[in-house]
Amino acid sequence: GAVVSQHPSRVICKSGTSVKIECRSLDFQATTMFWYRQFPKKSLMLMATSNEGSKATYEQGVEKDKFLINHASLTLSTLTVTSAHPEDSSFYICSATQTSRGETQYFGPGTRLLVL
Amino acid sequence: KNEVEQSPQNLTAQEGEFITINCSYSVGISALHWLQQHPGGGIVSLFMLSSGKKKHGRLIATINIQEKHSSLHITASHPRDSAVYICLKNTGNQFYFGTGTSLTVIP
Repeated sequence: GAVVSQHPSRVICKSGTSVKIECRSLDFQATTMFWYRQFPKKSLMLMATSNEGSKATYEQGVEKDKFLINHASLTLSTLTVTSAHPEDSSFYICSATQTSRGETQYFGPGTRLLVL
Repeated sequence: KNEVEQSPQNLTAQEGEFITINCSYSVGISALHWLQQHPGGGIVSLFMLSSGKKKHGRLIATINIQEKHSSLHITASHPRDSAVYICLKNTGNQFYFGTGTSLTVIP
């Protein structure tokens, strides 16, 4: 089966710094990657959709200047949380799809971000 | 009102019980997914349905397109089934998540 990895799995940073989270599809080319955020005891919230080589499409209420998404290749998307604040502390998950595999979502293991 | 309604929110069952989790949605779909999230946070996609029924081991997922309703069944439940189960509806690149069902199976 398809595998999606995320790095780092856990990160602690100081308020005001920027944090980059990587999402990689390991054995397939991901035509589309998705970034989600999950608050404690809540379901997932889609933040943005990114297609390789084009600008990400952000969901309403998600600040695109704060959450920078880059999908530079068919196997890598990055989410950068800029000038992080404690309220950005959350669990960030990516998923990927490949057109030839239909609409099946392959999820990464998630990155837990704690901003002090 | 949420696009996707999931019930129950919390469920505790004895080992061996048959479990049903329900998901209703208000608008047509391309596909409906059932996801499992374990306490560590990792998510596994269990099923993707656009019609009918699928079975994998002790898990069964059904969908009724006319009634806009899907169910996830777990037969002979086991403590390792304890997790959060989430239904996800997608229409093209539009995604709508259910609120999740936290399942605890007691030995």
